[in-house]
Amino acid sequence: IVMTQSPDSLAVSLGERATIKCKSSQSVLYSSNNKNYLAWYQKKPGQPPNLLIYWASTRESGVPDRFSGSGSGTDFTLTIRSLRAEDVAIYYCQQYYDAPITFGQGTRLEIK
Amino acid sequence: EVQLVESGGGLVRPGGSLKLSCEAFGFTFSNSRMDWVRHAPGKGPMWVARFRTEGDVGDRIAYADSVKGRFTISRDNARNTLYLHMTSLRAEDTAIYYCTRSEASGISLSWGQGTLVTVSS
Repeated sequence: IVMTQSPDSLAVSLGERATIKCKSSQSVLYSSNNKNYLAWYQKKPGQPPNLLIYWASTRESGVPDRFSGSGSGTDFTLTIRSLRAEDVAIYYCQQYYDAPITFGQGTRLEIK
Repeated sequence: EVQLVESGGGLVRPGGSLKLSCEAFGFTFSNSRMDWVRHAPGKGPMWVARFRTEGDVGDRIAYADSVKGRFTISRDNARNTLYLHMTSLRAEDTAIYYCTRSEASGISLSWGQGTLVTVSS
């Protein structure tokens, strides 16, 4: 499954909303449990990726509630409400519906 | 606290071999699915290999097509350590290699700091 993110880079003013899209080449919605096998990770320089969101919309423990995930099937969105300086990072989506697990190419988020 | 500590990376010539290790702390290693994921500069992360636990559904060991036949994943539950033995290394294997503790579904819950593998002559 090919994961395609848009845009490749994004500049947003502090306090504004950032929206990142992720599209999968086939549905990652498992009909038997109605779950979307889609996760979002944040990667800062010199650090490993950090899990933000899984099952498309479930926030990992400790992740601020300004981060939210939405979407179903093949189209997903990561929204960062009220951007803070520490949110500067590269964001990756990941599907774990089918082997091999695959990631998007990443979206670089910067401050405008 | 969950901690994963990778080691064993370095500079190796094309065709060479390396063995990476990942020591785990803070969780029950023997009950956990473990994966290797690599990340090359300017690209998205790439899943490399997994080692499921006995209770999980499906093949215990699996590899990405690009490393199949060259890389071997193994684990020593007594030592809480995951390994990745890499042979016939190519320039395109150059990346930071991370071990991850994963849910049975495949969600990468925790990542180590990574170890850099550079394949160059």
